[in-house]
Parts: sequence; structure tokens; C-alpha cells
Amino acid sequence: DTAVSQTPKYLVTQMGNDKSIKCEQNLGHDTMYWYKQDSKKFLKIMFSYNNKELIINETVPNRFSPKSPDKAHLNLHINSLELGDSAVYFCASKMGGSSQFFGPGTRLTVL
Amino acid sequence: QQQVKQSPQSLIVQKGGISIINCAYENTAFDYFPWYQQFPGKGPALLIAIRPDVSEKKEGRFTISFNKSAKQFSLHIMDSQPGDSATYFCAATPAGAGNMLTFGGGTRLMVKP
Repeated sequence: DTAVSQTPKYLVTQMGNDKSIKCEQNLGHDTMYWYKQDSKKFLKIMFSYNNKELIINETVPNRFSPKSPDKAHLNLHINSLELGDSAVYFCASKMGGSSQFFGPGTRLTVL
Repeated sequence: QQQVKQSPQSLIVQKGGISIINCAYENTAFDYFPWYQQFPGKGPALLIAIRPDVSEKKEGRFTISFNKSAKQFSLHIMDSQPGDSATYFCAATPAGAGNMLTFGGGTRLMVKP
């Protein structure tokens, strides 16, 4: 009954590959997010998305793209993976002016 | 440019003591200030949040103090317990613009029994 779920929990892949991380929320929220947490635990916003608007943090490389098949899902697709992409990626969601709820995270390791 | 600065980076407190974590922000457009608690291997979980129209908010052992003129806010954990040992993040977000959170650098709290 996890409110925000992510798959997979761990992802190990080679440089240059393309991979996707899936996120689903069953809270009926209207806005979803992707955050990146680096090895020093620093959390940084990547994207904000609802059914009307995608907001991209200007520092995110265009190899990263969010894809939303429906209101409850926001997947993260990454092309041409690089070593520096290794991090923990968190999905989050919220409704209106409420606080954001985070998923359990996906640890991505690029070899 | 780090828009939310958090201190200290790490904190050790004895059981029963008070843990205090401070944050300072630069963007005057910020109007919502949550604190998140993160345990190893888990996602951040909302602990308590405040808007700038109040100077203090208390929920159980957790209190946020907010100083709008100084652009500072802090988290106080009263009667700290070993189970409070975690990493704490302050954050801020402006109204609109997707309400994207800007996080502080985090504070690793250890409460010794």
C-alpha cells in the first residue's frame, strides 16, 4: 500500500546504455517530481510535471526526459548513461498546495 | 548558487537533549518551508512545515522557528531519542513554478543513548 512506488530499487548498467525508472503514485495527486540525490546526500530537483505543464531544472542534461503515460505515473528515461549519472533518484508527488510525498528511491550505478 | 544553506552538517546529541538545526535562505519568493527526515535506504519523509505568516510551529517534540526578516528558520527536536538518528533536510519552495523544492545540504543527526 506504498503511496509512491518506484521500480527498480537498484539498477546497475554500463556507460552508454539507455534506461528507464518507473514511478507510480496512488494518492490521486496532480503533480509529480523527480529528484536526484548524489553521493554527498545533496538533493536536487530535476523535473516538475502535471497534466498541463512540464518544468525542467535548467541544469538537467537533455539526456534525461520524463514521460507520463497517465496522471498516476511519471517515468524517467535516461539516454547514453554516464558515470556521473550514478546517484539515487527519487520520485515525489503532491496535490495542490500540500507537501510532497517521496518514493523509496532507485539507486542507479553506472559502470 | 546554494539558495538554502543548512548547518551543522553533523550533530551528536545525548538522549534527552535538544537537537537544533539551522537553515538560511536567499530567495524572498520562497513561501513554504518543510523539513524532511531521511533514514538510510529510504526516501525523505515530511516531518513538519511552516509558512512565513507564523513565527513558530510545534508538532509533538518537533518545533520550527521562523525569522522572516533574517531569512532564517530552524528545527528543534526536544527530548531527542536514538530513534531520531537520521539525516534531516530543510527545504523551501516558492508559490507557483511547479512548487519545486530547493533543499539544504542536510544534517546527519546521531542521538547517543
